[in-house]
Amino acid sequence: DTAVSQTPKYLVTQMGNDKSIKCEQNLGHDTMYWYKQDSKKFLKIMFSYNNKELIINETVPNRFSPKSPDKAHLNLHINSLELGDSAVYFCASSLEGTTGELFFGEGSRLTVL
Amino acid sequence: KNEVEQSPQNLTAQEGEFITINCSYSVGISALHWLQQHPGGGIVSLFMLSSGKKKHGRLIATINIQEKHSSLHITASHPRDSAVYICAVRYSSGSARQLTFGSGTQLTVLP
Repeated sequence: DTAVSQTPKYLVTQMGNDKSIKCEQNLGHDTMYWYKQDSKKFLKIMFSYNNKELIINETVPNRFSPKSPDKAHLNLHINSLELGDSAVYFCASSLEGTTGELFFGEGSRLTVL
Repeated sequence: KNEVEQSPQNLTAQEGEFITINCSYSVGISALHWLQQHPGGGIVSLFMLSSGKKKHGRLIATINIQEKHSSLHITASHPRDSAVYICAVRYSSGSARQLTFGSGTQLTVLP
C-alpha cells in the first residue's frame, strides 16, 4: 500500500483555471505538508498543517489554499492559475511532536499553458 | 538569512568509488534531513539526525553541530545510487515543522 498518495500525477491546464491536487496518507501521521519544486529542482515549503495549526509560508500567494477534510487528507486548491505555477507539487506527512521523518508522495506535475 | 548550501552541485563517479556530499547551514538547527530524489521524481527520506552519525547499508550521514556541517557518504557506489541528494534543515528558531532545503546534488554513478 502506498503510504502517501497524490492525485493526479500529471495535470495540464489553461491559465486562469482553478484546480485541485489531492493527498492522502495511511501512516496515521497527524501533520501534513505541501512542497513546491521548481524547474531548478529547488524544494520549498508551502504549508504545514495539523488539527491544531496551519502554518503558511508567507511567500505563497493566497490563490493557493490547503483544505483538510480529516487527518489523513490535505488537498491543495489553486485558483486563477498562472504560468509561474507550473512545477511539481509534493505532499508529505510526519508525526507531530517529533523532529520526525518525512514521508513524501510521488509528486504531481502541474503544467499551466 | 537562513541558508542551506550543498556541494558539489554535480558529481560524476565510477562504480565502486567512495562519495561524499556536503551540506552547510548558517544558524542553529534542531534536525537535519538527507533526502534522495530518484530520476523518476519520487523523494525518499534517507536520514534524519541532530548529532553524531547514522549508518544504513552503504550510506553514512554525519553532522558536526559546532561547525554547522553535515556530510553524506556512499561507500562502494553503484549506478542505482544515481539520484539527486537533498539536504534539509529544521532551524531551532523557526517552526518545528518548517524545513529549509539545499539546492541538491546531482550524483551520477557510471558503470
